[in-house]
Amino acid sequence: GEDVEQSLFLSVREGDSSVINCTYTDSSSTYLYWYKQEPGAGLQLLTYIFSNMDMKQDQRLTVLLNKKDKHLSLRIADTQTGDSAIYFCAESPFDSWGKLQFGAGTQVVVTP
Amino acid sequence: NAGVTQTPKFQVLKTGQSMTLQCAQDMNHNSMYWYRQDPGMGLRLIYYSASEGTTDKGEVPNGYNVSRLNKREFSLRLESAAPSQTSVYFCACLRGLGLGNSYNEQFFGPGTRLTVL
Repeated sequence: GEDVEQSLFLSVREGDSSVINCTYTDSSSTYLYWYKQEPGAGLQLLTYIFSNMDMKQDQRLTVLLNKKDKHLSLRIADTQTGDSAIYFCAESPFDSWGKLQFGAGTQVVVTP
Repeated sequence: NAGVTQTPKFQVLKTGQSMTLQCAQDMNHNSMYWYRQDPGMGLRLIYYSASEGTTDKGEVPNGYNVSRLNKREFSLRLESAAPSQTSVYFCACLRGLGLGNSYNEQFFGPGTRLTVL
């Protein structure tokens, strides 16, 4: 995951908003993805954004994309204890044939 | 539908032993992947199979071999395990055409936690 960078840890109080940031390097990526990994489980797709969009909202989730700066963020509104997990951003460069390049993951800990 | 299944869930090996990690999917997808997950390093691609009968190296293939037995099954073999291969291994399959400008969603299995002593 050396081409996709994320901060490794975020602590947030229950009910507050969480913001997880990611930078990527391959501007050819048409789609960018956020995956969630709960303890002891595999990854599950949380949401995604098409590269010609600036923002995508899906219930409590908001994805912001700044193509110029290659910056992606995920905002979780009204964070709950069930949101405690590791969040991975991932890009799929144009010539990658479906392969994903993952960041190192951001561990989100929600405290009461 | 079980989705993507992996066996075993846990395994402890001694250095030099061999083993095969099994992966099966009932989603009828063409492409399958093997990743390893290490703390602070995200997921790194070991091998992938774009379709039945084809396999290709990923980012970290050394010390591993794979077999795409049929459309459903994709196995990962460690011929002579080393402590550096202690990791969590994930198998995934791809919904999508795998084209660069298309939506490609990967579905993951629950993982195999491997310790090599």
